[in-house]
Amino acid sequence: GEDVEQSLFLSVREGDSSVINCTYTDSSSTYLYWYKQEPGAGLQLLTYIFSNMDMKQDQRLTVLLNKKDKHLSLRIADTQTGDSAIYFCAEPNSGYALNFGKGTSLLVTP
Amino acid sequence: EPEVTQTPSHQVTQMGQEVILRCVPISNHLYFYWYRQILGQKVEFLVSFYNNEISEKSEIFDDQFSVERPDGSNFTLKIRSTKLEDSAMYFCASSDNRAGGEQYFGPGTRLTVT
Repeated sequence: GEDVEQSLFLSVREGDSSVINCTYTDSSSTYLYWYKQEPGAGLQLLTYIFSNMDMKQDQRLTVLLNKKDKHLSLRIADTQTGDSAIYFCAEPNSGYALNFGKGTSLLVTP
Repeated sequence: EPEVTQTPSHQVTQMGQEVILRCVPISNHLYFYWYRQILGQKVEFLVSFYNNEISEKSEIFDDQFSVERPDGSNFTLKIRSTKLEDSAMYFCASSDNRAGGEQYFGPGTRLTVT
C-alpha cells in the first residue's frame, strides 16, 4: 500500500521556527496526528487535527492541513533544544489502526 | 495524568522461547493496540482489540502472536516461539470509545531475541 511520507532530517537553530512536512495517503482520514519520540522513549501524542479544519494552533505548535494535496505540516515556533526528537505523522486506516510515516529527526543546535 | 504502562521495559529471550509482554491501558479506555518498531524503522501496527476480541490485525500478526485481556486492567501480547526478527520495541496503546479517538502510547518494551 501507499506510505505516509516525511522528510527524514531537519536541522534548525535554537529560536528559529521548524516546519516538518508530511504527505498522507487517504483523503477520507478523519483525524491526522503528530507524535514525538525522544531518544529511547515512547511515542508522545503532540497534537492532532480533525479533517474539517485547515489549521490548529496549540501554544508553540501550529498544524496546517491541505486536504486537496493530502499535505500536513507541523510548525514549532521558537524551537528549543528540548524539541530535538523524531516527529511522526500518522493517519488512521479504514479501522482505527494508525499508519505512521518513517519520522523526521529534528536536530536543534544552539 | 493517566498513562499507559508496560512491563518489562527490556526483555531478552532465546530464539524459540515464548514471551509475554504486558500492558496496563488507561482505565476508562476501551480500544487497545499493539505496535512494534524495529530499530531504525517506522512504527508498524500489529493488532487492535475491542470488546474482548480482535477487531483488526496486520499481516505481521501471524499465528505466533496472540493477545489477551486476562482481567479488567491488563492487556498482553504473547509471542509463542520467538524469532530473531521479532527483536523490536513493542508499544501498547489505548484510546477511548470515540471513533478516531487519540491513541496514547506506553513507553514500550524492548524485546531482544538472541
